[in-house]
Amino acid sequence: GAVVSQHPSWVICKSGTSVKIECRSLDFQATTMFWYRQFPKQSLMLMATSNEGSKATYEQGVEKDKFLINHASLTLSTLTVTSAHPEDSSFYICSASPRTRSQFFGPGTRLTVL
Amino acid sequence: AQKITQTQPGMFVQEKEAVTLDCTYDTSDPSYGLFWYKQPSSGEMIFLIYQGSYDQQNATEGRYSLNFQKARKSANLVISASQLGDSAMYFCAMREGQGGSEKLVFGKGTKLTVNP
Repeated sequence: GAVVSQHPSWVICKSGTSVKIECRSLDFQATTMFWYRQFPKQSLMLMATSNEGSKATYEQGVEKDKFLINHASLTLSTLTVTSAHPEDSSFYICSASPRTRSQFFGPGTRLTVL
Repeated sequence: AQKITQTQPGMFVQEKEAVTLDCTYDTSDPSYGLFWYKQPSSGEMIFLIYQGSYDQQNATEGRYSLNFQKARKSANLVISASQLGDSAMYFCAMREGQGGSEKLVFGKGTKLTVNP
């Protein structure tokens, strides 16, 4: 099946710093990738849709200036959490579709902001 | 209104028995897709099975089958011959539209515990 990777798998940072998370489709091209956030014991909530070569589409309530998304190529999307605060601590997961009916997810990135 | 409803926060099943995880959905789009994902404690989302709204037959993938009842808007997951490794969170999700670029909406999940 299609493989999606994420890096890093976990990160701990100080409050006020920025953190970049990469999402790569390893064996297919993805014009669209999705970024989700999952708090403990809760479901996945879509944050934004990342479109290659254009601006991301953010879900209602998600601050686009805080969560910067860049989809620079057909295999890479990045999510940057700017000026991170403890309430941004969460599990961030990306997904992509290889033009089939399925969406494949990355392994996730666990962010802890001290 | 919630688009995906999973009414079972937790389910228990004995090893080797079958279990059904419930999922109902709400959409007015005639074209949609329904997914089930498994999320073990490691956090990765593992794709299990897919059912398209126009598919005539219920989807099956190994020990997983999807009981698709379109009129009732339900898409229950059936796991046969449960194994200890099936213990995980299970999420039902829906995509509205035909392509692969539409976003997924997830239910709140069901935590399945398989007892030896």
